[in-house]
Amino acid sequence: ETGVTQSPTHLIKTRGQQVTLRCSSQSGHNTVSWYQQALGQGPQFIFQYYREEENGRGNFPPRFSGLQFPNYSSELNVNALELDDSALYLCASSLLTEAQYFGPGTRLLVL
Amino acid sequence: QQQVKQSPQSLIVQKGGISIINCAYENTAFDYFPWYQQFPGKGPALLIAIRPDVSEKKEGRFTISFNKSAKQFSLHIMDSQPGDSATYFCAASVRGNYGQNFVFGPGTRLSVLP
Repeated sequence: ETGVTQSPTHLIKTRGQQVTLRCSSQSGHNTVSWYQQALGQGPQFIFQYYREEENGRGNFPPRFSGLQFPNYSSELNVNALELDDSALYLCASSLLTEAQYFGPGTRLLVL
Repeated sequence: QQQVKQSPQSLIVQKGGISIINCAYENTAFDYFPWYQQFPGKGPALLIAIRPDVSEKKEGRFTISFNKSAKQFSLHIMDSQPGDSATYFCAASVRGNYGQNFVFGPGTRLSVLP
């Protein structure tokens, strides 16, 4: 059984650019959730995907968008990057209503 | 109402001691309460979780105590070890047919002295 993987591990972008982060869910899981974790804080829920559709969203603007693919992997896209978007982005996979298992995260730095 | 409060912010414990971290919530619809452990540069790892129909759950050295009427729950780490030094997050969610949205506490940084 493989765990949750994320790519890339680190990324540096400049303000105004766009970024795509990727997540492969744990084998057997059909739900992917994305979180933003600022330094020294707890993860903040961005959105969740189930069966390729958005299934809940936190308090994040529309420039944060995502996709889930038939193999349950997922992408997080962020447009018009702002300095405050610098954070660790975490992906978690699960069965719909069960425990979530996190990947190692992608650390994004916006300059 | 969606907040989960967590205390203390940081905790220093001697090896072999008991570490206790407390969390409180307001939303009575929350029905699933996991605890996560996070080491620097890593994603959070699920430690133990509880549902509100039980008051205590134990797994190895880790115990969750749950007080539904007070809307509080806590993590106890028995025989704390230096390897337990990490940041601990409590979380809460509502599990529905349309998935669940986890709300995390701000975290507690635990240091276990050798």
